[in-house]
Amino acid sequence: EPEVTQTPSHQVTQMGQEVILRCVPISNHLYFYWYRQILGQKVEFLVSFYNNEISEKSEIFDDQFSVERPDGSNFTLKIRSTKLEDSAMYFCASSVPPRQGFWNGELFFGEGSRLTVL
Amino acid sequence: SQQGEEDPQALSIQEGENATMNCSYKTSINNLQWYRQNSGRGLVHLILIRSNEREKHSGRLRVTLDTSKKSSSLLITASRAADTASYFCATDAHQGAQKLVFGQGTRLTINP
Repeated sequence: EPEVTQTPSHQVTQMGQEVILRCVPISNHLYFYWYRQILGQKVEFLVSFYNNEISEKSEIFDDQFSVERPDGSNFTLKIRSTKLEDSAMYFCASSVPPRQGFWNGELFFGEGSRLTVL
Repeated sequence: SQQGEEDPQALSIQEGENATMNCSYKTSINNLQWYRQNSGRGLVHLILIRSNEREKHSGRLRVTLDTSKKSSSLLITASRAADTASYFCATDAHQGAQKLVFGQGTRLTINP
């Protein structure tokens, strides 16, 4: 069964360092997402990406964050200068486009990348 | 409460019993989805119910949606130990990409 894969599964970094989290979405999906979950809190939307550009982003997704689809298969989230509060589980997800304006299917989530900022 | 709030926050039942979790939300939605998350793992989609649907079934899962009360319930019948997980409702109110708003989740424990 096709799945979204994420690497690394866990990364520990020093505050101020750059981090790149990688995702391989399901191959025929066209929408890609990053969500995050701070320990014990809700899953929060960060950004959606379609047709090689950001389609929507949340307040959390400030200038420190960027996304890229560098080679047609990988989808990356870069945090330019990590802060302590960036420590969280980061989930990549992908989905097929809507049909006739309706989203009929689910988001397919990866297993997550746990980021620990020290 | 915020969009997509589940209750109870934690539920512990015996194997074989039914588990019911509720979700309330505040704004109009296109659809509501339920996801499961095993400890430390990713989110697994369970079921999606559209705003014009009132009830949906999938195996041992039954979801209801009451848009007048802005609430949904997830019923798991004949629970199994493997159902132990956190369950989240997520609402989608956007016309564009799926910007899901998740609730805090219900932690379900099935005791053998």
